[in-house]
Amino acid sequence: SQKIEQNSEALNIQEGKTATLTCNYTNYSPAYLQWYRQDPGRGPVFLLLIRENEKEKRKERLKVTFDTTLKQSLFHITASQPADSATYLCALEMGGGADGLTFGKGTHLIIQP
Amino acid sequence: DAGVTQSPTHLIKTRGQHVTLRCSPISGHKSVSWYQQVLGQGPQFIFQYYEKEERGRGNFPDRFSARQFPNYSSELNVNALLLGDSALYLCASSQTRTGGNTEAFFGQGTRLTVV
Repeated sequence: SQKIEQNSEALNIQEGKTATLTCNYTNYSPAYLQWYRQDPGRGPVFLLLIRENEKEKRKERLKVTFDTTLKQSLFHITASQPADSATYLCALEMGGGADGLTFGKGTHLIIQP
Repeated sequence: DAGVTQSPTHLIKTRGQHVTLRCSPISGHKSVSWYQQVLGQGPQFIFQYYEKEERGRGNFPDRFSARQFPNYSSELNVNALLLGDSALYLCASSQTRTGGNTEAFFGQGTRLTVV
């Protein structure tokens, strides 16, 4: 079955710096990959979707890359702010004809003032 | 516009009991998915319904069941509750079938505690 790995350790970044989060996957070749933000006690909020034929996608201070050869996606937040502190989840389509998403465990990002 | 609404927000049940969780999707959305999220983990897919038909099922026991109504709202039922069922249950809606190419809108979740 497919497996998604995200750095489960908290990532501490100084305000103003670029935060880079990693999502690695195995046993699958997804056509799409998504990133979500989740705050404590809340549901995930969609941020970006990238397709396999797109190397990079940007939205304001956010940038996502998708390397299907390395089976890896990188999620960047530039000019990071304390309000960016949250857990960031990587998600792939389940595949195999089933609908639904498979999520990684998420990376807890802490932006320190 | 109202987002995805779930009820109740919190629930405490005893082992062996049954629970029903409810979800109202965003107006116009025909797809509803259910996820279970235990502390420290990402959401895990339980079911997906589109146009009132089950379109996907995750690796959960038969104690878990769901249905979608003509107005596209949905219920998740869990029988014979176990302590391990304690989790945040999330409902997500989307305009089309929730594949990887579709943005999912999540509700705030129902926090279920089994004692």
